[in-house]
Amino acid sequence: GIQVEQSPPDLILQEGANSTLRCNFSDSVNNLQWFHQNPWGQLINLFYIPSGTKQNGRLSATTVATERYSLLYISSSQTTDSGVYFCAVEGTGNQFYFGTGTSLTVIP
Amino acid sequence: DGGITQSPKYLFRKEGQNVTLSCEQNLNHDAMYWYRQDPGQGLRLIYYSQIVNDFQKGDIAEGYSVSREKKESFPLTVTSAQKNPTAFYLCASSMGPVGIQYFGAGTRLSVL
Repeated sequence: GIQVEQSPPDLILQEGANSTLRCNFSDSVNNLQWFHQNPWGQLINLFYIPSGTKQNGRLSATTVATERYSLLYISSSQTTDSGVYFCAVEGTGNQFYFGTGTSLTVIP
Repeated sequence: DGGITQSPKYLFRKEGQNVTLSCEQNLNHDAMYWYRQDPGQGLRLIYYSQIVNDFQKGDIAEGYSVSREKKESFPLTVTSAQKNPTAFYLCASSMGPVGIQYFGAGTRLSVL
Protein backbone atom coordinates (compact mmCIF):
# COMPACT_ATOMS: atom_id res chain seq x y z
CA GLY A 1 0.00 0.00 0.00
CA ILE A 2 0.88 3.68 -0.11
CA GLN A 3 3.03 4.98 2.73
CA VAL A 4 1.87 8.26 4.27
CA GLU A 5 4.15 10.22 6.58
CA GLN A 6 3.07 13.28 8.51
CA SER A 7 5.22 15.81 10.28
CA PRO A 8 5.63 17.03 12.89
CA PRO A 9 4.01 14.35 15.08
CA ASP A 10 3.27 16.87 17.84
CA LEU A 11 2.93 20.63 17.82
CA ILE A 12 2.25 23.11 20.61
CA LEU A 13 1.33 26.66 19.65
CA GLN A 14 0.45 29.84 21.40
CA GLU A 15 -2.95 31.16 20.38
CA GLY A 16 -2.58 33.45 17.37
CA ALA A 17 0.47 31.69 15.94
CA ASN A 18 0.68 30.19 12.45
CA SER A 19 1.72 26.64 11.57
CA THR A 20 2.42 24.33 8.64
CA LEU A 21 1.70 20.62 8.69
CA ARG A 22 3.23 18.34 6.09
CA CYS A 23 2.11 15.09 4.46
CA ASN A 24 4.44 13.03 2.25
CA PHE A 25 3.18 10.04 0.29
CA SER A 26 5.01 7.31 -1.53
CA ASP A 27 3.06 6.90 -4.79
CA SER A 28 0.72 8.64 -7.22
CA VAL A 29 -2.70 9.29 -5.74
CA ASN A 30 -6.19 9.93 -7.09
CA ASN A 31 -7.49 11.55 -3.96
CA LEU A 32 -6.01 13.38 -0.98
CA GLN A 33 -7.97 14.65 1.98
CA TRP A 34 -7.13 16.45 5.20
CA PHE A 35 -9.17 15.72 8.32
CA HIS A 36 -9.40 17.13 11.83
CA GLN A 37 -10.20 14.75 14.68
CA ASN A 38 -11.58 16.44 17.78
CA PRO A 39 -10.94 15.19 21.34
CA TRP A 40 -14.14 13.13 21.21
CA GLY A 41 -12.98 11.24 18.14
CA GLN A 42 -15.14 12.86 15.46
CA LEU A 43 -13.39 13.24 12.12
CA ILE A 44 -14.27 16.23 9.99
CA ASN A 45 -13.16 16.66 6.41
CA LEU A 46 -11.21 19.89 5.94
CA PHE A 47 -10.08 19.66 2.33
CA TYR A 48 -10.40 17.42 -0.67
CA ILE A 49 -7.24 18.38 -2.52
CA PRO A 50 -5.60 15.88 -4.92
CA SER A 51 -3.71 18.82 -6.46
CA GLY A 52 -3.51 22.59 -6.34
CA THR A 53 -4.35 25.04 -3.57
CA LYS A 54 -7.56 25.67 -1.62
CA GLN A 55 -8.47 28.04 1.18
CA ASN A 56 -11.22 27.95 3.75
CA GLY A 57 -11.10 30.77 6.27
CA ARG A 58 -7.94 30.51 8.37
CA LEU A 59 -7.04 27.17 6.82
CA SER A 60 -5.46 26.53 3.46
CA ALA A 61 -3.91 23.52 1.78
CA THR A 62 -1.58 22.89 -1.11
CA THR A 63 -0.84 19.58 -2.82
CA VAL A 64 2.06 19.16 -5.21
CA ALA A 65 1.16 15.80 -6.71
CA THR A 66 4.27 15.53 -8.89
CA GLU A 67 6.47 15.83 -5.79
CA ARG A 68 4.16 13.71 -3.62
CA TYR A 69 3.47 16.04 -0.74
CA SER A 70 0.73 18.20 0.69
CA LEU A 71 0.83 21.07 3.19
CA LEU A 72 -1.87 22.29 5.55
CA TYR A 73 -1.54 25.86 6.78
CA ILE A 74 -3.27 27.10 9.91
CA SER A 75 -3.14 30.84 10.49
CA SER A 76 -4.03 32.77 13.65
CA SER A 77 -4.56 29.54 15.55
CA GLN A 78 -7.33 29.26 18.15
CA THR A 79 -7.78 26.83 21.04
CA THR A 80 -10.60 25.18 19.08
CA ASP A 81 -8.04 24.15 16.44
CA SER A 82 -6.58 21.65 18.93
CA GLY A 83 -6.87 18.00 17.99
CA VAL A 84 -5.25 15.62 15.57
CA TYR A 85 -4.86 16.41 11.88
CA PHE A 86 -4.78 13.50 9.46
CA CYS A 87 -3.82 13.28 5.84
CA ALA A 88 -5.38 10.43 3.84
CA VAL A 89 -4.63 9.37 0.29
CA GLU A 90 -6.27 7.03 -2.17
CA GLY A 91 -4.36 5.22 -4.84
CA THR A 92 -5.52 2.61 -7.30
CA GLY A 93 -7.97 0.07 -5.91
CA ASN A 94 -10.05 2.66 -4.04
CA GLN A 95 -8.31 2.05 -0.70
CA PHE A 96 -7.58 4.99 1.59
CA TYR A 97 -4.34 5.16 3.55
CA PHE A 98 -4.03 7.43 6.57
CA GLY A 99 -0.95 8.96 8.09
CA THR A 100 -0.35 8.75 11.84
CA GLY A 101 -1.39 12.35 12.29
CA THR A 102 -0.11 15.59 13.78
CA SER A 103 -1.35 16.28 17.29
CA LEU A 104 -1.89 20.03 17.72
CA THR A 105 -2.33 21.76 21.04
CA VAL A 106 -3.12 25.48 21.03
CA ILE A 107 -2.62 27.16 24.39
CA PRO A 108 -4.27 30.47 25.33
CA ASP B 1 -30.51 15.79 9.10
CA GLY B 2 -28.29 13.94 6.66
CA GLY B 3 -25.42 12.03 8.10
CA ILE B 4 -23.86 8.80 9.28
CA THR B 5 -25.09 7.12 12.44
CA GLN B 6 -23.01 4.58 14.31
CA SER B 7 -24.30 2.55 17.21
CA PRO B 8 -23.71 1.76 19.93
CA LYS B 9 -21.30 4.45 21.13
CA TYR B 10 -19.67 2.01 23.59
CA LEU B 11 -19.61 -1.78 23.35
CA PHE B 12 -18.15 -4.50 25.52
CA ARG B 13 -17.29 -7.94 24.23
CA LYS B 14 -16.90 -11.09 26.24
CA GLU B 15 -14.32 -13.72 25.37
CA GLY B 16 -15.46 -15.86 22.42
CA GLN B 17 -18.37 -13.60 21.56
CA ASN B 18 -19.24 -12.07 18.21
CA VAL B 19 -20.47 -8.48 18.28
CA THR B 20 -21.97 -6.33 15.53
CA LEU B 21 -21.43 -2.61 15.07
CA SER B 22 -24.08 -0.70 13.19
CA CYS B 23 -23.50 1.96 10.52
CA GLU B 24 -26.37 3.69 8.73
CA GLN B 25 -26.18 6.62 6.30
CA ASN B 26 -28.89 8.75 4.70
CA LEU B 27 -26.59 10.65 2.36
CA ASN B 28 -27.44 8.40 -0.62
CA HIS B 29 -23.75 7.54 -0.88
CA ASP B 30 -22.67 4.51 -2.88
CA ALA B 31 -19.41 3.79 -1.05
CA MET B 32 -19.03 2.87 2.62
CA TYR B 33 -15.96 2.06 4.71
CA TRP B 34 -14.95 0.63 8.08
CA TYR B 35 -11.77 1.74 9.83
CA ARG B 36 -10.05 0.78 13.03
CA GLN B 37 -8.10 3.31 15.12
CA ASP B 38 -5.77 2.30 17.94
CA PRO B 39 -4.58 4.87 20.52
CA GLY B 40 -2.13 7.36 19.05
CA GLN B 41 -2.42 5.82 15.60
CA GLY B 42 -3.94 6.65 12.27
CA LEU B 43 -6.91 4.85 10.77
CA ARG B 44 -6.55 1.46 9.11
CA LEU B 45 -9.04 0.14 6.59
CA ILE B 46 -10.93 -3.04 7.52
CA TYR B 47 -13.49 -3.39 4.71
CA TYR B 48 -15.05 -1.20 2.07
CA SER B 49 -18.01 -1.44 -0.27
CA GLN B 50 -18.55 0.47 -3.49
CA ILE B 51 -22.02 -0.92 -4.29
CA VAL B 52 -24.75 -2.99 -2.70
CA ASN B 53 -23.98 -6.72 -2.37
CA ASP B 54 -20.28 -6.16 -3.00
CA PHE B 55 -17.40 -5.48 -0.63
CA GLN B 56 -13.61 -5.80 -0.52
CA LYS B 57 -11.10 -6.50 2.21
CA GLY B 58 -8.83 -3.79 3.46
CA ASP B 59 -5.44 -4.27 5.06
CA ILE B 60 -6.71 -5.69 8.37
CA ALA B 61 -9.83 -7.72 7.49
CA GLU B 62 -8.89 -10.85 9.44
CA GLY B 63 -11.32 -11.49 12.29
CA TYR B 64 -13.99 -9.18 10.86
CA SER B 65 -16.96 -9.66 8.54
CA VAL B 66 -19.38 -7.27 6.81
CA SER B 67 -22.52 -7.28 4.69
CA ARG B 68 -24.02 -4.71 2.34
CA GLU B 69 -27.61 -5.76 1.69
CA LYS B 70 -28.92 -2.19 1.57
CA LYS B 71 -27.34 0.99 0.27
CA GLU B 72 -27.91 2.73 3.61
CA SER B 73 -26.42 0.07 5.87
CA PHE B 74 -22.96 -1.48 6.31
CA PRO B 75 -22.75 -3.45 9.59
CA LEU B 76 -19.43 -4.77 10.86
CA THR B 77 -19.17 -7.98 12.89
CA VAL B 78 -16.15 -8.44 15.13
CA THR B 79 -15.79 -12.20 15.41
CA SER B 80 -14.19 -14.28 18.13
CA ALA B 81 -11.30 -14.83 15.73
CA GLN B 82 -10.23 -11.19 16.28
CA LYS B 83 -7.95 -11.62 19.27
CA ASN B 84 -7.28 -7.95 19.93
CA PRO B 85 -10.56 -6.17 19.23
CA THR B 86 -10.18 -3.27 21.68
CA ALA B 87 -10.14 -0.14 19.51
CA PHE B 88 -12.14 2.81 18.19
CA TYR B 89 -14.16 1.84 15.09
CA LEU B 90 -15.14 4.45 12.52
CA CYS B 91 -17.56 4.14 9.62
CA ALA B 92 -17.41 6.46 6.63
CA SER B 93 -19.20 6.98 3.35
CA SER B 94 -18.55 8.82 0.10
CA MET B 95 -20.45 9.53 -3.08
CA GLY B 96 -18.14 7.40 -5.15
CA PRO B 97 -14.71 5.82 -5.14
CA VAL B 98 -13.01 9.20 -5.54
CA GLY B 99 -14.90 11.52 -3.27
CA ILE B 100 -14.98 13.28 0.07
CA GLN B 101 -15.32 10.87 2.99
CA TYR B 102 -17.79 11.65 5.76
CA PHE B 103 -17.43 9.93 9.11
CA GLY B 104 -19.72 8.75 11.86
CA ALA B 105 -19.03 9.47 15.53
CA GLY B 106 -17.48 6.05 16.11
CA THR B 107 -17.91 3.05 18.40
CA ARG B 108 -15.47 2.26 21.23
CA LEU B 109 -15.13 -1.49 21.69
CA SER B 110 -13.57 -3.01 24.78
CA VAL B 111 -13.07 -6.58 25.94
CA LEU B 112 -14.42 -7.69 29.32
